[in-house]
Amino acid sequence: QSVLTQPPSVSGAPGERVTISCTGSSSNIGTSHDVHWYQHFPGKAPKLLIYGSTNRPSGVPDRFSGSKSGTSASLAITGLQAEDEADYYCQSYDSRLSDSVFGGGTKLTVL
Amino acid sequence: EVQLVQSGAEVKKPGESLRISCKGSGYSFTTHWISWVRQMPGKGLEWMGKIDPSDSYSNFSPSFQGHVTFSVDTSITTAYLQWSSLKASDTALYFCARGFYYDTSGNEAFDIWGQGTMVTVSS
Repeated sequence: QSVLTQPPSVSGAPGERVTISCTGSSSNIGTSHDVHWYQHFPGKAPKLLIYGSTNRPSGVPDRFSGSKSGTSASLAITGLQAEDEADYYCQSYDSRLSDSVFGGGTKLTVL
Repeated sequence: EVQLVQSGAEVKKPGESLRISCKGSGYSFTTHWISWVRQMPGKGLEWMGKIDPSDSYSNFSPSFQGHVTFSVDTSITTAYLQWSSLKASDTALYFCARGFYYDTSGNEAFDIWGQGTMVTVSS
């Protein structure tokens, strides 16, 4: 059971907007700890999509955006494209565990 | 180009030892922690722990404490993940990742990842 909870799957048609939620608690997202998001194609290296809850590394399209409120965070993808079909993970730090923690991952299917 | 390149796939028997590597290049190796992340078959990412290449100080997730060790060789900018006695349950894809501290609050993301090393433990 992951400390951070994500929906197992989400789907959307090309061009649509989808969001992926990441729910934590007062010992991780609910504190000053930021949330980071990764895109992972199976068998490949994960890629940092969002850091510091809302920031995009250079080279990441602005179709990807992040937000955080209370003990939850979200990744939004607009203008969905076929190549966005991948697994997405949130990550934060948990003060109680003194560990970095990942969500269980969400598989995005582009219909 | 900043990159982490990991060693190739391994097939081992239970009880055997193993060390896999992660070579950093294109940046100052000692200024970024290296984390190790496990992905068991069909499962998500799990943070195992991290090592500071500047002094080899390591921090382990309790789930992995005592079962794996981390080390570095700064002369060849390489980090290692090591097992002394493998179990079948260690079968997984292992990633190394570079720690990215972007503010003064200690928040850490992982900005560069290795390609992964598949470890298969089977009798």
